[in-house]
Amino acid sequence: EAQVTQNPRYLITVTGKKLTVTCSQNMNHEYMSWYRQDPGLGLRQIYYSMNVEVTDKGDVPEGYKVSRKEKRNFPLILESPSPNQTSLYFCASSPSTGGSEQYFGPGTRLTVT
Amino acid sequence: KNQVEQSPQSLIILEGKNCTLQCNYTVSPFSNLRWYKQDTGRGPVSLTIMTFSENTKSNGRYTATLDADTKQSSLHITASQLSDSASYICVVIRIKAAGNKLTFGGGTRVLVKP
Repeated sequence: EAQVTQNPRYLITVTGKKLTVTCSQNMNHEYMSWYRQDPGLGLRQIYYSMNVEVTDKGDVPEGYKVSRKEKRNFPLILESPSPNQTSLYFCASSPSTGGSEQYFGPGTRLTVT
Repeated sequence: KNQVEQSPQSLIILEGKNCTLQCNYTVSPFSNLRWYKQDTGRGPVSLTIMTFSENTKSNGRYTATLDADTKQSSLHITASQLSDSASYICVVIRIKAAGNKLTFGGGTRVLVKP
């Protein structure tokens, strides 16, 4: 089944404890992206990747890192999480950057205390 | 500033009734506009995709319209069902050399009651 998977789905952590949220797609998509969703603010892009080893900042990249060593994986790294990073995170992928359909993962709900 | 504004913020309708959701945008230039359905706690799922040259696009009981001159789009739900209860998100996309730029609206939360 074609899908985007994220792990973990739920995470509660403490301020400053490094964490990684994994994202994997099995559709051989070139383009992958991370978003956060907060009440009243809609979805905002954190980072995106146009292909392996090609990443760039989105609208709200502060406090986050990403890597794209393989086409299928695009992990989101929080080196030192803070409470303002408490949010619902979505990974998405699409075949290319040419306006094609984006497929979203199921989401990761992160709470930083 | 490129923005996408949706209205209403929330909507309650009776099962079987129709409803229309609005999306106004200032993103320019844009390449296409999408409507997504997001069930609570899940990722958004695409309903329709329209390029700037298309006026209407249907997907079952969902019909999206686009007026590129006035920068407005609407999503019409016909004969609503309980499963239509969800948030509906309007997304405007600009295609850039550095990668797509997606601007999301805040969504309209629809609750269908029996």
